Amino acid sequence: ETGVTQTPRHLVMGMTNKKSLKCEQHLGHNAMYWYKQSAKKPLELMFVYSLEERVENNSVPSRFSPECPNSSHLFLHLHTLQPEDSALYLCASSQEGANYGYTFGSGTRLTVV
Amino acid sequence: GQQVMQIPQYQHVQEGEDFTTYCNSSTTLSNIQWYKQRPGGHPVFLIQLVKSGEVKKQKRLTFQFGEAKKNSSLHITATQTTDVGTYFCAVLTGANSKLTFGKGITLSVRP
Repeated sequence: ETGVTQTPRHLVMGMTNKKSLKCEQHLGHNAMYWYKQSAKKPLELMFVYSLEERVENNSVPSRFSPECPNSSHLFLHLHTLQPEDSALYLCASSQEGANYGYTFGSGTRLTVV
Repeated sequence: GQQVMQIPQYQHVQEGEDFTTYCNSSTTLSNIQWYKQRPGGHPVFLIQLVKSGEVKKQKRLTFQFGEAKKNSSLHITATQTTDVGTYFCAVLTGANSKLTFGKGITLSVRP
């Protein structure tokens, strides 16, 4: 366990489905992030939440909708996805200003059919 | 924003050989971080460098920040099969701690 827990670990969904990814951190960090990792691209930052406020939205399509109800929880709501959205979705947390890096969860492997 | 480049994307070594990889930027970096992702795993933070010329060691891994703070290197002495994985460099930018990753280098080690 890394201190950042993501569920589910694997998800297969149809293009018309709605699903949510969940992330929970037990480290007392004040910032949380969603990253997308696909086979041929580097880790792509999707969203940044600092002190529960969204401070970054990296031109992500509106079919991805993040939610951060408190500093320990982060969700990614998915609807009407496309097959090219199939990827590993990684949640991370950090303590802003600290001299150590991000802590990543194990990720959700998403397949859109 | 600041970007970092890692070339090549793949490298194969014989177990016991040394391995060095580089992370380069066209602009001066305030910091550099290194992560390792094992096959099927998630990125794990290894180290952060912030000072010009800084060198840090973790067992067989040596990390260095260039004097001009435009590049960084990771050197592994006497590679082992446990070193297999993808090594990413990343730079932290902005007031909101945005971490931007390089494409990574995937290391394979022949036993």
